Amino acid sequence: GAVVSQHPSWVICKSGTSVKIECRSLDFQATTMFWYRQFPKQSLMLMATSNEGSKATYEQGVEKDKFLINHASLTLSTLTVTSAHPEDSSFYICSATQRVRGPGANVLTFGAGSRLTVL
Amino acid sequence: AQSVTQLGSHVSVSEGALVLLRCNYSSSVPPYLFWYVQYPNQGLQLLLKYTTGATLVKGINGFEAEFKKSETSFHLTKPSAHMSDAAEYFCAVSGPFGNEKLTFGTGTRLTIIP
Repeated sequence: GAVVSQHPSWVICKSGTSVKIECRSLDFQATTMFWYRQFPKQSLMLMATSNEGSKATYEQGVEKDKFLINHASLTLSTLTVTSAHPEDSSFYICSATQRVRGPGANVLTFGAGSRLTVL
Repeated sequence: AQSVTQLGSHVSVSEGALVLLRCNYSSSVPPYLFWYVQYPNQGLQLLLKYTTGATLVKGINGFEAEFKKSETSFHLTKPSAHMSDAAEYFCAVSGPFGNEKLTFGTGTRLTIIP
């Protein structure tokens, strides 16, 4: 089945530094990738939608300059948290799907998530 | 606009008892509905999905859910709970093409009592 690999699974960084999280689709071409943020004991909040080769579409309230998303290839999307601060500490999860024409439930495949802790 | 409401942020059942996790949705278009499970510090795993056709959907690990349009519900059930079922469960809805962004409910933490 479809597999999405997310790396790193855990990262600790100092305040003010930038952190990059990678999301790779291992056995399919992901035309669309989604980035979610999950606070402790809460649901997933969609941050942005990225389509290969185009700029990401950010949800309302998400800072584009803070959370840089790149989807340069059909198998890789990256999320860079720039100038990280303790309030950016969270669990970040990516998901990927292939876009097909017409109706049909394309199942999103989720990565295992990346826990970011900013000191 | 779409939304999902999961009734009960915490549900506890005894091992071997019936599991019932409630989900109601709101959607202006025919919805696709999903149940995902999340184990600690892990991503989400799809349990089952409803697209069109049969309203009773069977998933993995003995779970099933029934789409009831008149009640705008998609409750998740399992006849007999197992200790390994302890996890966080999320109901989600998307538009009719399914590859659109998901809207998640707030989740229900299922605890199994030995």
